[in-house]
This record gives sequence, structure tokens and C-alpha cells, in this order.
Amino acid sequence: DGGITQSPKYLFRKEGQNVTLSCEQNLNHDAMYWYRQDPGQGLRLIYYSQIVNDFQKGDIAEGYSVSREKKESFPLTVTSAQKNPTAFYLCASSIGTLGANVLTFGAGSRLTVL
Amino acid sequence: QKEVEQNSGPLSVPEGAIASLNCTYSDRGSQSFFWYRQYSGKSPELIMFIYSNGDKEDGRFTAQLNKASQYVSLLIRDSQPSDSATYLCAVRLGGATNKLIFGTGTLLAVQP
Repeated sequence: DGGITQSPKYLFRKEGQNVTLSCEQNLNHDAMYWYRQDPGQGLRLIYYSQIVNDFQKGDIAEGYSVSREKKESFPLTVTSAQKNPTAFYLCASSIGTLGANVLTFGAGSRLTVL
Repeated sequence: QKEVEQNSGPLSVPEGAIASLNCTYSDRGSQSFFWYRQYSGKSPELIMFIYSNGDKEDGRFTAQLNKASQYVSLLIRDSQPSDSATYLCAVRLGGATNKLIFGTGTLLAVQP
């Protein structure tokens, strides 16, 4: 079955540590996205990529980094520079460019800072 | 003013009733409108999208778009307890930005 796989589902981080969230898709979608969701807030865009080896900052990119070395993969690193990283992180993909097409979401990764 | 606004709820309806969820947006140039359903602790899943003024029906769901008044709504007929979830409205802004903005969501509770 086609879909998006995110791992790990739950992750705990100590302050000062970098962590990487994995996102893999087998939908052959060109565009991939990372969103952050906090209680009572809408999804906020961190980074997106429309093509391999290219990515763009979203609205809240500070303290995060990404790479897009393969079409199927779009890992997100939460760095120690992100001051409030505890959140639910969602990876998504779409056939076309940002907003133009329907998003398919992974199951999400919940990050907690201890 | 937020770009996409939804009443956070909870909206409580009895089983079998019609649930009406509303969303307003500020950008008059917005092109496309999406409704996602999100169960607690899970990721969003698409219910419907609508591009043109008027109604669009899919099973028990009807999306209604009124661009002049800048609102989009989702009606759920014959509501079931399994419809209990948070419903997210997403709007694709117009112009060169091509951004997709999500509302904060409305929590729907269908009472058996």
C-alpha cells in the first residue's frame, strides 16, 4: 500500500540535543512538507520541498533543518536552537506544488523535551 | 485578524442530526478550500475540497463555498459517533505565495 511512514512515533529529547525525524513516502509524490501542530493551534509549515535537492523555508523554520537527497525521503532535524520543540510533527506529501494539490499525511511523530 | 478562522467548539450534536461546521478566511484571492478530519492523536485526513462557489456533495458530507462572504462550511448529515473528531479547514491563498493555511479546527462531538 502506498503511503507515508514517519518514525519514530514518540521521541524524547534532552535539552541541547539534536534529533532527526524520518519521513519516507512511496506515493511517487514530488512535493513533501513538514508541519508542526501545537494544542489549540493550526498546522504551521516548517519546511517544504518541491523537488530533489531543493527545499524552502516555511513560516517557522528557525531551529529546524531538512534535506531532500531522494524523492522518497525528507528527514527533519530539530536542533538545539529550537527553544520550544515539544510538539506533534506531521510529514505530508502532494503530487504538485505547495497548496495546489491534496496533502497526504503520515501518522506523525510526537516529540517531548525532558 | 487570523487568515483562517474556525470556532474551536466543542460542537455537540445528537446522533442522526446535521452537524454544521464553519470557516471564514481573510484573503479574497483564495483559490481552493479543503476540509480535513483529525481524530485525537492521529494525523489529518482529507474529507473534501471545493474550488467553486456553491455546494459540493460526497456521501453524507456537503461542502459549501461563498467567496463573496468569504466563508466555507461543511455539513455532515446523519451524524454518527464515529464522526466525533476535530475538523480542520485549510485555505490555499491566492497570488504568488500559493500557501496553504490551516485553521485551528473545530471539535465535533456526536452524542449517541
